[in-house]
Amino acid sequence: GAVVSQHPSWVICKSGTSVKIECRSLDFQATTMFWYRQFPKQSLMLMATSNEGSKATYEQGVEKDKFLINHASLTLSTLTVTSAHPEDSSFYICSARVYGGAADTQYFGPGTRLTVL
Amino acid sequence: QKEVEQDPGPLSVPEGAIVSLNCTYSNSAFQYFMWYRQYSRKGPELLMYTYSSGNKEDGRFTAQVDKSSKYISLFIRDSQPSDSATYLCAMTSAGNEKLTFGTGTRLTIIP
Repeated sequence: GAVVSQHPSWVICKSGTSVKIECRSLDFQATTMFWYRQFPKQSLMLMATSNEGSKATYEQGVEKDKFLINHASLTLSTLTVTSAHPEDSSFYICSARVYGGAADTQYFGPGTRLTVL
Repeated sequence: QKEVEQDPGPLSVPEGAIVSLNCTYSNSAFQYFMWYRQYSRKGPELLMYTYSSGNKEDGRFTAQVDKSSKYISLFIRDSQPSDSATYLCAMTSAGNEKLTFGTGTRLTIIP
């Protein structure tokens, strides 16, 4: 149980274009999902918390207009990188919160590698 | 000072050895502790979840929490080359949905 998928697993785009990344909880409903960014050999950096049916909460320093997050259903959250630039190239990982029981924690997707040329 | 300190390694041990991975933390409000394993170019995978002080065992993995010392450990017995990965500790406090991560320890098991 608690499987999270991401699509695509990797994407290459030209500078100035927008890229959408999907995060799905496959076998459970996730009212809260998280988006992280990870640079090589570094730990995870939380970008935003996504709550179903409401606006995302962004961490300090993360541009809301650049990283658009939509959590329209209990199983899907999307991250759109708008007007992507080479500095946006990174590994983007989503997670979904699982409530209650013995493991009230986060389960992560496999990640999406974005390369902006 | 970071809230969570974790030795980044790299740590290399021979196959079959016992591996000890550690994190210290400064926030006494942390109550829930997790260990994630992350293979290269993959998302983190939850290995262990603990709440109380003491030990929790799952197969070859043992998670240990010492709240009085603000210290957590992950032990891997009979280490295998497939255990080669980055191990991240993470923790949070009651009512807080965000996780605070350590920097991760890169582990290599040498056949």
